[in-house]
Amino acid sequence: GAVVSQHPSRVICKSGTSVKIECRSLDFQATTMFWYRQFPKQSLMLMATSNEGSKATYEQGVEKDKFLINHASLTLSTLTVTSAHPEDSSFYICSARDLAGRSYEQYFGPGTRLTVT
Amino acid sequence: AQTVTQSQPEMSVQEAETVTLSCTYDTSESDYYLFWYKQPPSRQMILVIRQEAYKQQNATENRFSVNFQKAAKSFSLKISDSQLGDAAMYFCAYIIGFGADGLTFGKGTHLIIQP
Repeated sequence: GAVVSQHPSRVICKSGTSVKIECRSLDFQATTMFWYRQFPKQSLMLMATSNEGSKATYEQGVEKDKFLINHASLTLSTLTVTSAHPEDSSFYICSARDLAGRSYEQYFGPGTRLTVT
Repeated sequence: AQTVTQSQPEMSVQEAETVTLSCTYDTSESDYYLFWYKQPPSRQMILVIRQEAYKQQNATENRFSVNFQKAAKSFSLKISDSQLGDAAMYFCAYIIGFGADGLTFGKGTHLIIQP
């Protein structure tokens, strides 16, 4: 149980275009999902917290107009990188809380590797 | 600022031996949870072990155990009988309260298993 999927697993886009990454909880309802960013050989940094039916909360230094987050249902959150630039190239990981289980525990998706050319 | 410090960027251990990864954290909160995650080359985050801060007893999961020293804000991971499959990045992390906020991660320790 507690499986989280991400799609796509890899994406290459041209500079100036937008790309959408989906995060789905497959076997549980996730009122809260989280988006992390991981640069090569570095740790995970929290970008934003996404709550179903409300606006996302962004961490300091994260541009909310560049990284659009939508959490329209209890099983789906999306991250859209708008007007992507090469410096946005990174590994993006989502996680989700299962309130029916241990609410403090997060289940991670497999990540999405974004390359902006 | 709330932080997690992993002072060992890289550790190496012989197969079947025991290794300890260190982690210290800094928070003023009283309710929190601590975790060790493993990230193999696939980059999928795998939960290794969790510790509730209100529990004095150290958590154990098969070959993995922690030494939780709350007053010292220390949370080390011991891996016994190391196996080749244990080779990965290991991240220490914590979450405040009931988890409404995201995890705060340390910088990670790269664990190498020597055959």
